Amino acid sequence: AQTVTQSQPEMSVQEAETVTLSCTYDTSESDYYLFWYKQPPSRQMILVIRQEAYKQQNATENRFSVNFQKAAKSFSLKISDSQLGDAAMYFCTLSGYALNFGKGTSLLVTP
Amino acid sequence: GAVVSQHPSRVICKSGTSVKIECRSLDFQATTMFWYRQFPKQSLMLMATSNEGSKATYEQGVEKDKFLINHASLTLSTLTVTSAHPEDSSFYICSARALGSRTNSPLHFGNGTRLTVT
Repeated sequence: AQTVTQSQPEMSVQEAETVTLSCTYDTSESDYYLFWYKQPPSRQMILVIRQEAYKQQNATENRFSVNFQKAAKSFSLKISDSQLGDAAMYFCTLSGYALNFGKGTSLLVTP
Repeated sequence: GAVVSQHPSRVICKSGTSVKIECRSLDFQATTMFWYRQFPKQSLMLMATSNEGSKATYEQGVEKDKFLINHASLTLSTLTVTSAHPEDSSFYICSARALGSRTNSPLHFGNGTRLTVT
């Protein structure tokens, strides 16, 4: 069975600062992907970043980057230079036939 | 590319009536579509998986007679909430995986449907 755990229900960051959202997971698969999705108030699910488990290099997409620690089964998301538009629910998820989501982290960005 | 259209975006219905929600893949074919339910400030919970031309697979605890899923073509899946009750009020989101894509690939999501049962 696959599990995804997000232990931070809420996080807050000031505009232009950096914030890190945590995620741990468990899987018996050897070939898998990890994803971070963002859900703004519009409720649209937006793929933020993906990481392939067999790649050592951490994925980066503009201001978003991950810290992937395979042995520790940890997959955190770092948002640099936070913007007001980054305020949203963030979900960590593990690839599979159907995506199973963590409980999410609500990110508040303050001016 | 990879656009999933979900309709309606909002619907209000009376208790006891049925509501149909459509999920269409606009620019790709989807052999598999997934239906999720999301309560306020909670995560997405997988309800069922629909495969084109076959019966849907429901997650444990989801009533298949209440939530009817039909996947009649490679671009359309429908979720019908039958005899809706106020406790069925929720946000329903569909997602799709493109034909030929790996199970490691991300899903493409519709914009969701907010159902309110009065």
